Amino acid sequence: GEDVEQSLFLSVREGDSSVINCTYTDSSSTYLYWYKQEPGAGLQLLTYIFSNMDMKQDQRLTVLLNKKDKHLSLRIADTQTGDSAIYFCAESVYNQGGKLIFGQGTELSVKP
Amino acid sequence: DAGVIQSPRHEVTEMGQEVTLRCKPISGHNSLFWYRQTMMRGLELLIYFNNNVPIDDSGMPEDRFSAKMPNASFSTLKIQPSEPRDSAVYFCASRERLRQGAASTGELFFGEGSRLTVL
Repeated sequence: GEDVEQSLFLSVREGDSSVINCTYTDSSSTYLYWYKQEPGAGLQLLTYIFSNMDMKQDQRLTVLLNKKDKHLSLRIADTQTGDSAIYFCAESVYNQGGKLIFGQGTELSVKP
Repeated sequence: DAGVIQSPRHEVTEMGQEVTLRCKPISGHNSLFWYRQTMMRGLELLIYFNNNVPIDDSGMPEDRFSAKMPNASFSTLKIQPSEPRDSAVYFCASRERLRQGAASTGELFFGEGSRLTVL
């Protein structure tokens, strides 16, 4: 079945880069996503990448996709205290009506 | 648009009671998802609907859980009878129709969640 895995915690210093990693299992995934959850709130889409791309850059965010290894990463440059949140990786299983499967979430803690 | 609206935001109930969680998706969206979030299990997909029809309910824990979508603007998730292990935050999310070849990101829009505590 489909499965998405992430490490649970990451701690960085303000100004450093953060890299959050994710592995997924379904090779038919068309879209892969990064969502952000702030305390007491729902998830919000941060960025996404199509499965035919290797990299996507959006301001401080860089997404890298290695389809062969089924590995996705999110790099946040110049991490700020406001980036402290839980980050979820997700895959969309297109041949199952676009079912969206999320990882466990990585809690990012940014220390001043 | 007000976004996905869930109610109640918080509910505290006693074991054995019936719990009904409600969701109003974004107007025009044709897919609706129910997720449950706990510390132990993360974010679990319970059930999702396309065009008001349940597509996959394999994540529904057991017969005590049921979900309905009587029309495009309303869905309920019911737990009867509730148990302490059902305590979690329940999220509803909606999405517009996925269109292959079109500029559709498949983004899910989440509600604020309903925090359920079963004593």
